[in-house]
Amino acid sequence: SQKIEQNSEALNIQEGKTATLTCNYTNYSPAYLQWYRQDPGRGPVFLLLIRENEKEKRKERLKVTFDTTLKQSLFHITASQPADSATYLCALEGNSGYALNFGKGTSLLVTP
Amino acid sequence: GAGVSQTPSNKVTEKGKYVELRCDPISGHTALYWYRQSLGQGPEFLIYFQGTGAADDSGLPNDRFFAVRPEGSVSTLKIQRTERGDSAMYLCASSPLGVGPNTGELFFGEGSRLTVL
Repeated sequence: SQKIEQNSEALNIQEGKTATLTCNYTNYSPAYLQWYRQDPGRGPVFLLLIRENEKEKRKERLKVTFDTTLKQSLFHITASQPADSATYLCALEGNSGYALNFGKGTSLLVTP
Repeated sequence: GAGVSQTPSNKVTEKGKYVELRCDPISGHTALYWYRQSLGQGPEFLIYFQGTGAADDSGLPNDRFFAVRPEGSVSTLKIQRTERGDSAMYLCASSPLGVGPNTGELFFGEGSRLTVL
């Protein structure tokens, strides 16, 4: 069956450091992968989309890598700030081609 | 409106009751999705509409769940004979055309939190 695995334990880092979150998948052949941010009690918000032929993508302090051989994406937040504290979700297109399937998410806490 | 609107934001009901959750997508978005999210889990796909038709309802857990989008805009998720296990956040999302490598992201609403006592 298709699986999307994200670090189940919360990631605690100090302000200013780089946060790295991992997304591993099995039984997918994705043309692209997406990352979303979700704050408590709110809906997810789109951050980045990376295509299979793109090794790396950047947006401001965010950087995403996509390795289809390792079946893994890494999500980096550089110069992290307390406002970056949230849950980060990885998403892949399901077999039907119509909907995104989401991982459980990784909770990030950035302390001053 | 500017974003996806969901009502009610909170709904408390008793086991066995009928519930309707409403989603008003971003104007012009033809694709509409319903997801369910339990505490500590990621959003779980329920159903996808392209226009008025349900293109994929493979995520609906059983026949107590049903969704409609009669005019291709507002959608209603209907849950019959609610059970305690139905308690979750129900999220609606829309997108201009649907998911894909070139068509971008899903725009989510703030969700409807359903509690079944």
